[in-house]
Amino acid sequence: EPEVTQTPSHQVTQMGQEVILRCVPISNHLYFYWYRQILGQKVEFLVSFYNNEISEKSEIFDDQFSVERPDGSNFTLKIRSTKLEDSAMYFCASSALGTGELFFGEGSRLTVL
Amino acid sequence: AQSVTQPDIHITVSEGASLELRCNYSYGATPYLFWYVQSPGQGLQLLLKYFSGDTLVQGIKGFEAEFKRSQSSFNLRKPSVHWSDAAEYFCAVASKAAGNKLTFGGGTRVLVKP
Repeated sequence: EPEVTQTPSHQVTQMGQEVILRCVPISNHLYFYWYRQILGQKVEFLVSFYNNEISEKSEIFDDQFSVERPDGSNFTLKIRSTKLEDSAMYFCASSALGTGELFFGEGSRLTVL
Repeated sequence: AQSVTQPDIHITVSEGASLELRCNYSYGATPYLFWYVQSPGQGLQLLLKYFSGDTLVQGIKGFEAEFKRSQSSFNLRKPSVHWSDAAEYFCAVASKAAGNKLTFGGGTRVLVKP
């Protein structure tokens, strides 16, 4: 069964460092998303991406965040200068139809020290 | 703006007993409704979805959910829980007006007693 894969599964970084989280969405999907879940809290929308551009972003997704689909298969989330409060589980998701039926990866846990 | 409320943060149920998880949403039109399950350390797995039509939808792992427009609810049920159902369950809503992005409820953690 096709699945969304994410790397790394866990990354520890120092505050102020740049982090890139990688995702390989399901191959025929057209809509891509990043969500995050701070420990013990709800899953929050960060950004959606369609047709090679951001279609929507939340207030969390400030100038420190960026997304890219560099090669037609990967979908990356970059945090330029990490803060302590960026520590969370980051989930990538993709969708074929854009109806909200998302397929999630297993997440990348980011720990900022 | 669309929102989702899951009133129960924790539910403990005995193995073999029935389970019902509550979900209420706030949105003007009929949204798309989903239930996801997250096992410890795992990603989010889609249990079931409602787009339109029959208001009682069947999902995987023996779960079902009923859409009640009058109550703005989409409660999840299972007649007889198994120890492997211990997990966190998230109700979510999406709509075309909101760009089809998912908005999640706060989740309900289910503990299963032997």
